[in-house]
Amino acid sequence: DAGVIQSPRHEVTEMGQEVTLRCKPISGHDYLFWYRQTMMRGLELLIYFNNNVPIDDSGMPEDRFSAKMPNASFSTLKIQPSEPRDSAVYFCASSSGRNEQFFGPGTRLTVL
Amino acid sequence: QKEVEQNSGPLSVPEGAIASLNCTYSDRVSQSFFWYRQYSGKSPELIMSIYSNGDKEDGRFTAQLNKASQYVSLLIRDSQPSDSATYLCAVKRVSGYSTLTFGKGTMLLVSP
Repeated sequence: DAGVIQSPRHEVTEMGQEVTLRCKPISGHDYLFWYRQTMMRGLELLIYFNNNVPIDDSGMPEDRFSAKMPNASFSTLKIQPSEPRDSAVYFCASSSGRNEQFFGPGTRLTVL
Repeated sequence: QKEVEQNSGPLSVPEGAIASLNCTYSDRVSQSFFWYRQYSGKSPELIMSIYSNGDKEDGRFTAQLNKASQYVSLLIRDSQPSDSATYLCAVKRVSGYSTLTFGKGTMLLVSP
């Protein structure tokens, strides 16, 4: 079975531009999580969905961040406008029920 | 107070030795505990989960949990250079919707 798929793997953009990160969870998983990882703050949960419904977005840092899950096989995390402090690795993870989470390969975002 | 604390390391051990990685957590109602391994530039990979006090062994890995002391550890026997990675401790409540809280990780270096 394919694991969690994320795209793009690397993104370099300029401050003020819109950035869209994409995720395809493992088929059959009903939970999807978006994380951000930096050296300073470690791995932080941004938002998670259950059955395509956002459950907790308290980790979303600002209104510039938004996430959607239009169906069970696709989710996006959007940053508009992007800022240099948004530079980080963004991971998507999925799980079945309340079991172990499986992570995608991540998107390394650099905002110049 | 940080919710999940780990020594950032690096923890250096020679090949063949036992590596001991430690984690403390602050939320007493935490019930599920996970160890993830993250190679440089890669995504976290689940290697162990533990739910009850005591030891749980899986190959060269042993997870130890002491809920009274709010302490969880990971022992790696016969350490190999391929074990060199950052090890993330994650903690989860059981009741209701529940997310993982990650420590910042301990870097392990195994020298040949």
